[in-house]
Amino acid sequence: DGGITQSPKYLFRKEGQNVTLSCEQNLNHDAMYWYRQDPGQGLRLIYYSQIVNDFQKGDIAEGYSVSREKKESFPLTVTSAQKNPTAFYLCASKGDRGVSNQPQHFGDGTRLSIL
Amino acid sequence: AQSVAQPEDQVNVAEGNPLTVKCTYSVSGNPYLFWYVQYPNRGLQFLLKYITGDNLVKGSYGFEAEFNKSQTSFHLKKPSALVSDSALYFCAVRDLYSGAGSYQLTFGKGTKLSVIP
Repeated sequence: DGGITQSPKYLFRKEGQNVTLSCEQNLNHDAMYWYRQDPGQGLRLIYYSQIVNDFQKGDIAEGYSVSREKKESFPLTVTSAQKNPTAFYLCASKGDRGVSNQPQHFGDGTRLSIL
Repeated sequence: AQSVAQPEDQVNVAEGNPLTVKCTYSVSGNPYLFWYVQYPNRGLQFLLKYITGDNLVKGSYGFEAEFNKSQTSFHLKKPSALVSDSALYFCAVRDLYSGAGSYQLTFGKGTKLSVIP
């Protein structure tokens, strides 16, 4: 079955530590996205990538970094500069980039907490 | 910028009764609208979308949504609610993201639907 796999499901971060969240898709989608979900705030866009080796900042990129070295992979690093990282992180992909009517497909998320 | 509003944080409905989850939008051009559902500790699942055409859009799991241009609304409906419909529902609008000239999704804050047996 094609889909998006996020790992780990739960992650704990110590003060001053960087952590990396994995997102892999086998849907052959060009575009990939990272969202942060906090209770009562909906989803907020962190970073997105429309093609390999290219990515753009979203609304809340500070304290985060990404890479897109392969079409199927879009890892997110939560750096020590992100002072409030506790949240549910969702990765998504879409079949084409740019202007599109296609829906985004989502992984099952990673819940990040502070130790 | 485009925006969506979901005026109700929570909606409670009895099993077997019709349900409505409300969404209003604000866009500068033609609206492209989506509904997603999220079960606990899971990702979002696509339910339906409105791009153009008929104002009544049918989607997955018996859900439908009515597009009303004059009221700038896109309410999600189902004729007979099931307990298994209990979840968090998000409305989204396609947004022109000025940072890179591409279109992204802007989500509402979500509405928690509880279907009572």
